[in-house]
Parts: sequence; structure tokens; C-alpha cells
Amino acid sequence: QQQVKQSPQSLIVQKGGISIINCAYENTAFDYFPWYQQFPGKGPALLIAIRPDVSEKKEGRFTISFNKSAKQFSLHIMDSQPGDSATYFCAARGEAGNKLTFGGGTRVLVKP
Amino acid sequence: DGGITQSPKYLFRKEGQNVTLSCEQNLNHDAMYWYRQDPGQGLRLIYYSQIVNDFQKGDIAEGYSVSREKKESFPLTVTSAQKNPTAFYLCASSPWDRVGGDGYTFGSGTRLTVV
Repeated sequence: QQQVKQSPQSLIVQKGGISIINCAYENTAFDYFPWYQQFPGKGPALLIAIRPDVSEKKEGRFTISFNKSAKQFSLHIMDSQPGDSATYFCAARGEAGNKLTFGGGTRVLVKP
Repeated sequence: DGGITQSPKYLFRKEGQNVTLSCEQNLNHDAMYWYRQDPGQGLRLIYYSQIVNDFQKGDIAEGYSVSREKKESFPLTVTSAQKNPTAFYLCASSPWDRVGGDGYTFGSGTRLTVV
């Protein structure tokens, strides 16, 4: 049972372009939506996060857009750089404590 | 420095063998988690623990076992009952309370291969 659906599975973008990754969720009790970045052979690390009372959050070149009525949120990577090549996971926090449910991941490749 | 340490980095298991993956944290986090990562399937939760001497099954607990005898440690045993154990295993820790962000810290993972 996948409660957070992420798309696309993979993405190729030219340097300087915009990478867009989308996530959809079903559980309206989710109250916190982080994005994680993972480089090969490493554990994921928190990139940026948003709460459902906010429609957009920007940190540097990374922006989360959140649509509560559609139960969707997305990550935009502006001016993509080769160093952004990684796997990105969206996640959502449910009712029980601090447990996160992760999406399936998106492998992003930024070509120079 | 505070962090979470997984060992070993690479592990090879023979058919029918049990193996144990180590996870230690010095972040004073209450909660610890084990995830399995397979290509194209994201992070799937195996077990999690909110507090010492208590743990809960995640989505794919069959063939795995855990213990939480100390706050700092949450070892995962991959038993012979797990028929397809080859994967990348990630341990994480976090506060259990919901104040602030999720505060998840991940280890660098253990890659397990059946030989």
C-alpha cells in the first residue's frame, strides 16, 4: 500500500534547466512533507520541508509547491547543476509520532 | 560530532545464514528505524522503535528481527527466512515528538549481498 506516489521515476535535465518532481498523497492526516536528497552509496539527507498551511517554500534553488485541495506537492530545482544529480524522495508524516512514509524516489541526472 | 553509524558497509551472506547489521546513534534520539532500499522501490520500512525495549513492525517485517536494549543501538538481523535479502539497508533515528521538523538522520547504509 503506497500512500505517497512519486513521479517520474527518473529525469534527465540539461545544466541550467528546471527539474520538477511530483508527489501525491491520500491520507489527509499527513501534517508535514519533507524532501530528501540521496547520493550513491550514502544515506538520504533532508533537503527542504513544508507544512500544509503553506503553499510554497523556497530555499536557494529548491522550491516546494503544495496544493492541499489536490493532495499534491512538488519539488522544483531551478538552474539545475551536475552536482544536483542524485535520487530525491518525497515523504509525509502521519498521525503516529514522527514516522515518515516515503515516495518511490526519482533519480535525477543533470547533463553538463 | 553527533551522528548515526552503520556497520559493516558491505556484507555477504550465504544461503541459510542469519546476519546482523549494526546501527548506533549518539544523537539522543528516542526513535530508530530500519529501511530497505531496492532500485525503483524507494524506502520501505522494516521495523521501528519509539523507545527502549519496544519496537513495531513496518511494511515488510517478514524475515527480519530487531532488538532495542539500549537507546543508542538498534541492530537488525536478517534471518534465513528472508528469501530475497540482497538490498541496501538504511538505519535512521529521530526524535519521537512532533515539535519542529522530522529531524531524521540516516546512516550511510549497509549493502547486503547473498552469495
